[in-house]
Amino acid sequence: GDSVTQMEGPVTLSEEAFLTINCTYTATGYPSLFWYVQYPGEGLQLLLKATKADDKGSNKGFEATYRKETTSFHLEKGSVQVSDSAVYFCALSKGSARQLTFGSGTQLTVLP
Amino acid sequence: DVKVTQSSRYLVKRTGEKVFLECVQDMDHENMFWYRQDPGLGLRLIYFSYDVKMKEKGDIPEGYSVSREKKERFSLILESASTNQTSMYLCASSLSAGSYEQYFGPGTRLTVT
Repeated sequence: GDSVTQMEGPVTLSEEAFLTINCTYTATGYPSLFWYVQYPGEGLQLLLKATKADDKGSNKGFEATYRKETTSFHLEKGSVQVSDSAVYFCALSKGSARQLTFGSGTQLTVLP
Repeated sequence: DVKVTQSSRYLVKRTGEKVFLECVQDMDHENMFWYRQDPGLGLRLIYFSYDVKMKEKGDIPEGYSVSREKKERFSLILESASTNQTSMYLCASSLSAGSYEQYFGPGTRLTVT
């Protein structure tokens, strides 16, 4: 079945450092790919998405490019802030209701 | 503003009890979902519904059932709660079959003792 493999955490960075969180997927067909973010005590929020190969999703300084040849969707940000501390989930969607398959999540802590 | 609400933030139940988790969305969304979130496992889909009275099993439906009598409400039922169902439960909704974005509620942390 479909699956998403995400970089193990936790990740701790200093403010203004460069962030990469790796994500690879296994799926038949052409899934859409997502990054969701969960801030402490809250539900998940969509951070960015890409619906076809070579699409780049971007939001709030975060970017990820849908790479079909490497089945990857790595999340990057050039300069992280303390407010970016959260859990980040990579996910793919397929199926009649576009149901999501999630990775295990990566806890990011940014220190001032 | 988009809103998905869940009936409780924290719930403590005893083994063998019947447990109801309620989710309500106010966006007239077609699709609704129930996930459980466990450390190191991410979110796993339990059940989803694409219309009133319609439901489909997700990846881990065993021990759960669902009910969707009205479009805005999707209930998750644990017929006989067990300790391995202690988890965070998240409800989500999305507009239609072609919609990509799911909107999540804040979650219910269920502890079964």
